[in-house]
Amino acid sequence: GENVEQHPSTLSVQEGDSAVIKCTYSDSASNYFPWYKQELGKRPQLIIDIRSNVGEKKDQRIAVTLNKTAKHFSLHITETQPEDSAVYFCAAPYRRALTFGSGTRLQVQP
Amino acid sequence: EPEVTQTPSHQVTQMGQEVILRCVPISNHLYFYWYRQILGQKVEFLVSFYNNEISEKSEIFDDQFSVERPDGSNFTLKIRSTKLEDSAMYFCASSEGQVGTYEQYFGPGTRLTVT
Repeated sequence: GENVEQHPSTLSVQEGDSAVIKCTYSDSASNYFPWYKQELGKRPQLIIDIRSNVGEKKDQRIAVTLNKTAKHFSLHITETQPEDSAVYFCAAPYRRALTFGSGTRLQVQP
Repeated sequence: EPEVTQTPSHQVTQMGQEVILRCVPISNHLYFYWYRQILGQKVEFLVSFYNNEISEKSEIFDDQFSVERPDGSNFTLKIRSTKLEDSAMYFCASSEGQVGTYEQYFGPGTRLTVT
């Protein structure tokens, strides 16, 4: 199966700063890497994903980079805002099932 | 925008009782999933379902669990005899299932409390 490691477990930044969350995966056949944002008591919400045929994808203030050789991918949030405060999960597929990382609690201090 | 829906939002049950959690996936999606999340922990895969049968299941999905698509819209997870450690948030998800599509969309979850 797939093994996904995520760090840091908690991240506190000042509003306007950037935040970076990193994940590694084990299965070299994995080809799809989503990121989910989960606010307290809510569903995981897909915020961005990347396929293995690209190295970087950007959507406004969020971007994801992928290094297939090293088997790691990262989420970058620029110009952080208080509403970015949440738990962020990376994931990688094993067949159709998603294996999630352990999550990063991001706190954006106003 | 279509969303996955789940009922009930919260279920309290006594140990040993059977529970059925219900989900309505997005209408044109072909793959359905159940995940669970114990409070404060990561989301864990339970089972995936395609073409009216289980396509994959995890070690967590033992004989106490079963899934069913009883009609054209609902997708259910049954826990036959609940244990205290089954207390968790259970999320249903669905995906289109077409070749090259992988995005999974989650429902709001059912909080199961076993007492």
